[in-house]
Amino acid sequence: AQSVTQLDSQVPVFEEAPVELRCNYSSSVSVYLFWYVQYPNQGLQLLLKYLSGSTLVESINGFEAEFNKSQTSFHLRKPSVHISDTAEYFCAVKSTGFQKLVFGTGTRLLVSP
Amino acid sequence: KAGVTQTPRYLIKTRGQQVTLSCSPISGHRSVSWYQQTPGQGLQFLFEYFSETQRNKGNFPGRFSGRQFSNSRSEMNVSTLELGDSALYLCASSAVVAGETQYFGPGTRLLVL
Repeated sequence: AQSVTQLDSQVPVFEEAPVELRCNYSSSVSVYLFWYVQYPNQGLQLLLKYLSGSTLVESINGFEAEFNKSQTSFHLRKPSVHISDTAEYFCAVKSTGFQKLVFGTGTRLLVSP
Repeated sequence: KAGVTQTPRYLIKTRGQQVTLSCSPISGHRSVSWYQQTPGQGLQFLFEYFSETQRNKGNFPGRFSGRQFSNSRSEMNVSTLELGDSALYLCASSAVVAGETQYFGPGTRLLVL
């Protein structure tokens, strides 16, 4: 069985400050890793993903995440956040060959001026 | 390409009724998955369909069912609605290639009174 742990349910941060949202996973098989973002009253939008290759993956809007196999982590970082980054962020894992995504409980990022 | 569409966006039903939700995947995507999102249980996998066949099923009672049509559109049905079925129901589609990233629709918000 797979599981995902997002230890921080809420992360308050000031605009232009750096942020890290933590994600740890557990799986006995190879996995793909994802970060999704959800804005109020909307569905999930893919932020970035790790499939293979370079362990550092980046999104177009400045977020990055690093896959660490030994620590089974996939933390999300951004060096300088904007008000518009306020949203809920979900980490998810999926075993290769299956479509079932297992999600963490989410981290609400609150960016204030 | 148009994204994943879900109809209706909002729905109010009473206990004991049944409901059908619809999902149209991204053009060319043949896999459709359904998820339930609630404040208490978070995001949970319901089932996945590929080529009109259910390939994977989550841990939900038999009141939850689905189907997929030859054009890859999918429906899910919930019979004998309970108050606890109130949730955001998300549909995701993916192409069946390596990586198999799932792209989500905006969701259908179901309220059971």
